[in-house]
Amino acid sequence: KAGVTQTPRYLIKTRGQQVTLSCSPISGHRSVSWYQQTPGQGLQFLFEYFSETQRNKGNFPGRFSGRQFSNSRSEMNVSTLELGDSALYLCASSFLGDLNSPLHFGNGTRLTVT
Amino acid sequence: ILNVEQSPQSLHVQEGDSTNFTCSFPSSNFYALHWYRWETAKSPEALFVMTLNGDEKKKGRISATLNTKEGYSYLYIKGSQPEDSATYLCAFEAAGNKLTFGGGTRVLVKP
Repeated sequence: KAGVTQTPRYLIKTRGQQVTLSCSPISGHRSVSWYQQTPGQGLQFLFEYFSETQRNKGNFPGRFSGRQFSNSRSEMNVSTLELGDSALYLCASSFLGDLNSPLHFGNGTRLTVT
Repeated sequence: ILNVEQSPQSLHVQEGDSTNFTCSFPSSNFYALHWYRWETAKSPEALFVMTLNGDEKKKGRISATLNTKEGYSYLYIKGSQPEDSATYLCAFEAAGNKLTFGGGTRVLVKP
């Protein structure tokens, strides 16, 4: 079974630009969640999608948005990039997204904003 | 904002020694407590998902206990090996399925 796939692995963008990150979950997994990790911070929850609906949202500005498609693939978009958005963005999928469902993480997308 | 604390932030362990570290989380609105191992250059890997007070889980030389009434979980590594070197993350899952991660405990096992 293929794992969680995130593309691209690395991205360099300029302040003010926008970026779209992609995540393909493990086949059969319907929940996809996104996390941001910056130096000195733990994993910060961005949002979670289940069956194309956003179920939960973290404390991030509206510049951060996402969506999920009917095949459970998810995209995350960040508009008007700021230097502080430089981070590792991790996507995770789980089977049902509820009790006893561990997260399966992708390798992440490292975004650098210059 | 939920407070999930892990201590210590880092620890050095001699190969063969056993060690343990703590995850503290809110005792209210508890749904589950997750543990993950994150090795350098890899993605986080699930170790345990614990839901019941008093729960104990084991995977090889790694085990975990859970106390939901007082809001803490311990992770134990018995007979540490260099391959146990990693950052260990706990995550508190509240009702509604939102996960809040702790800052992690970075473990370095010295040969």
